[in-house]
Amino acid sequence: AAGVIQSPRHLIKEKRETATLKCYPIPRHDTVYWYQQGPGQDPQFLISFYEKMQSDKGSIPDRFSAQQFSDYHSELNMSSLELGDSALYFCASSVRQGANSPLHFGNGTRLTVT
Amino acid sequence: DAKTTQPTSMDCAEGRAANLPCNHSTISGNEYVYWYRQIHSQGPQYIIHGLKNNETNEMASLIITEDRKSSTLILPHATLRDTAVYYCIVSGNNRKLIWGLGTSLAVNP
Repeated sequence: AAGVIQSPRHLIKEKRETATLKCYPIPRHDTVYWYQQGPGQDPQFLISFYEKMQSDKGSIPDRFSAQQFSDYHSELNMSSLELGDSALYFCASSVRQGANSPLHFGNGTRLTVT
Repeated sequence: DAKTTQPTSMDCAEGRAANLPCNHSTISGNEYVYWYRQIHSQGPQYIIHGLKNNETNEMASLIITEDRKSSTLILPHATLRDTAVYYCIVSGNNRKLIWGLGTSLAVNP
């Protein structure tokens, strides 16, 4: 079965650079979520989108922005990167219809800021 | 969202059932219990969820107490591939899951 696809799998950037992470949800899933997981930490919710509109906002820094496009894929844009932004970034998707439908996660993008 | 309490770590022998407990004493009536697991550095994997009835799927069973203040995830025949961190999450919607520390399950040969 098709899963959530994230690209790139690994990304190395320098401080103050920008990065763009991409997420392609499971077909027919209309909701996308972004999570950040630092080393040895639990996933932290950043932001989510439903039908191209932001639906919830978590601990996303002002330096980050995200959007969902008409084909439901999503991009997380990160600017003025800091060393502390080094983490695994997971995207998940779900079917919004039925708010209890589970999230399906991609395998993440490992961002390293040097 | 309600908080959950899980043991930090557990061990299980390969082929035996793994029973992972979770306390969620402040759960409210519209909140579901979700279980996910994460194998090292991979994306979290959905296992099962329920509201008040026990649930079973091809991966696991979920037993929720009648007062809904606790639940148990059961992996009927644990394998080495089940070694992972298991997260119990209680949420009224799936939009903003709050993750706790989880239980690190080690399945031993």
